[in-house]
Amino acid sequence: QKEVEQDPGPLSVPEGAIVSLNCTYSNSAFQYFMWYRQYSRKGPELLMYTYSSGNKEDGRFTAQVDKSSKYISLFIRDSQPSDSATYLCAMQNSSASKIIFGSGTRLSIRP
Amino acid sequence: DAGVIQSPRHEVTEMGQEVTLRCKPISGHNSLFWYRQTMMRGLELLIYFNNNVPIDDSGMPEDRFSAKMPNASFSTLKIQPSEPRDSAVYFCASSSPGLMNLYEQFFGPGTRLTVL
Repeated sequence: QKEVEQDPGPLSVPEGAIVSLNCTYSNSAFQYFMWYRQYSRKGPELLMYTYSSGNKEDGRFTAQVDKSSKYISLFIRDSQPSDSATYLCAMQNSSASKIIFGSGTRLSIRP
Repeated sequence: DAGVIQSPRHEVTEMGQEVTLRCKPISGHNSLFWYRQTMMRGLELLIYFNNNVPIDDSGMPEDRFSAKMPNASFSTLKIQPSEPRDSAVYFCASSSPGLMNLYEQFFGPGTRLTVL
């Protein structure tokens, strides 16, 4: 079993829809929960992160962490065609530089 | 800063040839990572270095793969001999501890390798 599981998709939704992306994990030592966004033919870039449990909002994006269920989510409100990308969840414990990435979910927003 | 620099951007080679991928991390970063990405397997960590020292190479697929970091500003990933199944995009990333010890990784543009 992988430490981090993510549905690869692809996921296609119409413009303006609410998008929900999710990951599960098995290592209870993870403290940082991140979402990276990767556009086609580019490297991944950090979109947002949460430390420990709870929610974090940044514009149209909301990240949620439920440590009791070992489940994290990224919500995108009012989705735009420019949000079309692969979204990778990633996790890190508090003492190591190594990040564990999910396999990524390919998202397409239809105009 | 120019960000993480990788070369070449594209490489097409024939099976059995040696391939060398190069990476220049962001100045001041003390961790460097090599990843491989394919549609089937996603983003896989191959090896990472802290302060130029290899820490975890458990992701290196086999002895045909080797990586070095002779100094803080340069790293190489070598495949010898190359095989068609090595075809993938290879990313280099660098990081340093930031706020609250979060290690945000900064990725290079990747090298797209095709082995015929």
